[in-house]
Amino acid sequence: KNEVEQSPQNLTAQEGEFITINCSYSVGISALHWLQQHPGGGIVSLFMLSSGKKKHGRLIATINIQEKHSSLHITASHPRDSAVYICAVTFGNEKLTFGTGTRLTIIP
Amino acid sequence: ETGVTQSPTHLIKTRGQQVTLRCSSQSGHNTVSWYQQALGQGPQFIFQYYREEENGRGNFPPRFSGLQFPNYSSELNVNALELDDSALYLCASSFGLNRPQHFGDGTRLSIL
Repeated sequence: KNEVEQSPQNLTAQEGEFITINCSYSVGISALHWLQQHPGGGIVSLFMLSSGKKKHGRLIATINIQEKHSSLHITASHPRDSAVYICAVTFGNEKLTFGTGTRLTIIP
Repeated sequence: ETGVTQSPTHLIKTRGQQVTLRCSSQSGHNTVSWYQQALGQGPQFIFQYYREEENGRGNFPPRFSGLQFPNYSSELNVNALELDDSALYLCASSFGLNRPQHFGDGTRLSIL
């Protein structure tokens, strides 16, 4: 059983829609990361957070430590946001444990 | 600022062969982690090096080995290649432990 669960697995939305991707994990963590992976493989680190909320442009990440849950939100979605979004956590031993990703497709 | 670069970008090998994948860390980064990503799956942690010493290892057999050099560049070596080793191999560097990791574009390894 994966220690990091993401939902949904696939998400298709119209341009401009507000997007939410969810991540839950099983035990206490030291940090949670949101990553973006485009076709071809390159991964970009979007956020690293251990509490509260972070915002960068149209992207917002939140984490609730008590509920062991994080969300990634995209406002005013655009076709260039189409990618796989991966949640990953560190449990204190520094290695990243990844979710299986959410494939997001934004239709013009 | 130079990002993380990996070489080669693509590689084809046959079963039983050995392969070396290379990673040049982002300038100033002393920590490097290697991941294996099979098609349709999330990445799996192979191992991490911090200041040239191994700092943790995932559930991979000993035929997966690594090195980190004084300039913090890194190698991943895989011996006795198997068909299941076909995957995207990702390298990520960071400035210290438990810091944001910067990923390379990966090396896609195909085993025939």
